[in-house]
Amino acid sequence: QMQLQESGPGLVESSETLSLTCTVSGGSIISSSYYWGWIRQPPGKGLEWIASIFYNGRTYYNPSVRSRVTISVDTSKNQFSLKLNSVTAADTAVYYCVREPLVVIAMIGAFDIWGQGTIVTVSS
Amino acid sequence: DIQMTQSPSSLSASVGDRVTITCRASQIISSSLNWYQQKPGKAPKLLIYAASSLQSGVPSRFSGSGSGTDFTLTISSLQPEDSASYYCQQSYTPRRFTFGPGTKVDIK
Repeated sequence: QMQLQESGPGLVESSETLSLTCTVSGGSIISSSYYWGWIRQPPGKGLEWIASIFYNGRTYYNPSVRSRVTISVDTSKNQFSLKLNSVTAADTAVYYCVREPLVVIAMIGAFDIWGQGTIVTVSS
Repeated sequence: DIQMTQSPSSLSASVGDRVTITCRASQIISSSLNWYQQKPGKAPKLLIYAASSLQSGVPSRFSGSGSGTDFTLTISSLQPEDSASYYCQQSYTPRRFTFGPGTKVDIK
C-alpha cells in the first residue's frame, strides 16, 4: 500500500521560504497513473489545494499562491517538494501531500491517499 | 474559480439517525464532486468520488447523490465513529480544485 510522508521545518520566519518534502513509499513516483500534490489547512479552517505535479515535471498551481510557490519532483529519491516564498502568518497551516489517481477516469481530481500532515508555523 | 458552499455548517444528531449534508457549486460541475471525512488531528479521508461512487473500504451507510450544482452526502444510520467534519470538493476544472467550508457532525 502506497504511503506518503511529509517532512520539513515546523517553524519558518516571516518573509522567508517554506520548504517541504513528501516521500512516497510502497510504489514509484514515476507513474502515469498519478498526479502528486499539496493541500493545506489553516488552524480551525478548511482545505485549500496548492499545487500538483506529474512525474515528468508538468505542474499546476492555485492562482492564489502561484506567484510564490514552486512544486518539483525528484524521481531518484521518490520524492516531491513544495517551496513557498515570502511567507506570512496567513501561511500557517497543516500541509498535506496527496495522491490524485488517474487510472479510473471518475476518480480524476479526487485525492485518495494523504500524508499525515505537517504543521508549519510562520513566526514574526 | 468555482466556489463551493455547504449546509449546514454543523449539526448534532443521535446514533441511528439519517443525516444529510448539502453542497452547492457556483456553476455546473456535472458529477465532478468528491466528499471527504476528517477526524480531529487526522488527514481527510476520501469517502465518495464522482458524486456517488463509494471509495473502497468505506461503509455502505455513506452515499452521495446529485449532479450539476447541487449535491448531497447521506449517512443512512449515524454511528459514533462518524463524528467528524465533512468536506466537499469540486474536480470539474482539472487541477483548479476547490473545497467547501465543511460541515461538522456531532453525536448527541
